[in-house]
Amino acid sequence: GAVVSQHPSRVICKSGTSVKIECRSLDFQATTMFWYRQFPKQSLMLMATSNEGSKATYEQGVEKDKFLINHASLTLSTLTVTSAHPEDSSFYICSARDSYGNGELGNEQFFGPGTRLTVL
Amino acid sequence: QKEVEQNSGPLSVPEGAIASLNCTYSDRGSQSFFWYRQYSGKSPELIMFIYSNGDKEDGRFTAQLNKASQYVSLLIRDSQPSDSATYLCAAKTSYDKVIFGPGTSLSVIP
Repeated sequence: GAVVSQHPSRVICKSGTSVKIECRSLDFQATTMFWYRQFPKQSLMLMATSNEGSKATYEQGVEKDKFLINHASLTLSTLTVTSAHPEDSSFYICSARDSYGNGELGNEQFFGPGTRLTVL
Repeated sequence: QKEVEQNSGPLSVPEGAIASLNCTYSDRGSQSFFWYRQYSGKSPELIMFIYSNGDKEDGRFTAQLNKASQYVSLLIRDSQPSDSATYLCAAKTSYDKVIFGPGTSLSVIP
């Protein structure tokens, strides 16, 4: 099956620093990747849709200048949390959509393992 | 109104019983629906997807979709303790985004 990786899996940083999270599709091409955030005991909230070669589309209430998304290739999207604060501590999960829509469900999303961010 | 709604639970069932999980959605244009299982601290994993009215069976899992009622359900037969997790219902909306419900916590008691 399609595999999506994320790096790092866990990161602890000081308040005010920036953190970059990578999302890679390992065995398929993904023109579209999605970034979600999940707080404890809550569901996944879509933050933004990342399209290869173009600007990301952010959901309402998500600050685009704080959460920088770059989708420079068909296999890599990055999320940078700038000037992180303790309230940004969360589980960040990416998903990637198979560009060529293989399988019964043409464009299923495949999820990465997630990155747990803790801001001190 | 939230786009995808689920009972938060927790839902407790004895081992071997049928667990029934329910979900409603608000966007009538939604076409595809998904059930994910999420263990604590882990990323969601896809269990089932359905896009046609009726039932879809896969092993111990059966997904049911009723578009007229905007209702999706997941039945887990012969529930096992390893099925204990949070189950997330998701809908691919008419604007091509997958929106998740809040999840239902399932506990299977040995």
